[in-house]
Amino acid sequence: QKEVEQNSGPLSVPEGAIASLNCTYSDRGSQSFFWYRQYSGKSPELIMFIYSNGDKEDGRFTAQLNKASQYVSLLIRDSQPSDSATYLCAVARGFKTIFGAGTRLFVKA
Amino acid sequence: SAVISQKPSRDICQRGTSLTIQCQVDSQVTMMFWYRQQPGQSLTLIATANQGSEATYESGFVIDKFPISRPNLTFSTLTVSNMSPEDSSIYLCSVATGVGSTDTQYFGPGTRLTVL
Repeated sequence: QKEVEQNSGPLSVPEGAIASLNCTYSDRGSQSFFWYRQYSGKSPELIMFIYSNGDKEDGRFTAQLNKASQYVSLLIRDSQPSDSATYLCAVARGFKTIFGAGTRLFVKA
Repeated sequence: SAVISQKPSRDICQRGTSLTIQCQVDSQVTMMFWYRQQPGQSLTLIATANQGSEATYESGFVIDKFPISRPNLTFSTLTVSNMSPEDSSIYLCSVATGVGSTDTQYFGPGTRLTVL
């Protein structure tokens, strides 16, 4: 079992729809959870982090964390073609961060 | 956040040679990390570089192949030694910022290495 698992996709959604990206992790001691966006040929950029159970909203992005189920998700509302990228889930315990393989998202205009 | 630069941005090298990648941060940071990302794959941590101490290498990576320097709190280098085509990859430096035991990582723009 991988430490951080994501569906590789591609996930295709029409412009304006909600994109839902999911991630599960194996280490129950994980403390922090991150979503990064990576455009082709570019380095990962941080979108959001979440530490506590529940939802955290930032603009069109909402991160959801359920530690009991070891599950973290990212919702992108009003998806835009510019959101097309690979989204990496990352899970940290102390200074040790494990990255998932990423989910490719395509937003169709 | 932090502003991170890497040099070179890309290079094409011959088998058996070595390349040193530089990472510069605009602020002092405790933890710096070096990752490798092969095409279509996720990030693989090579090592963690702390100022004033030896780098800590992940399983599968050794100091002789990937020597790291961390002379101060804003700079680090990674050398890819005795290169082979299998070393062709993107190499990324990242830094951890924040307080507490869990820090957020920010990435440099990466160095795209091709070994012929």
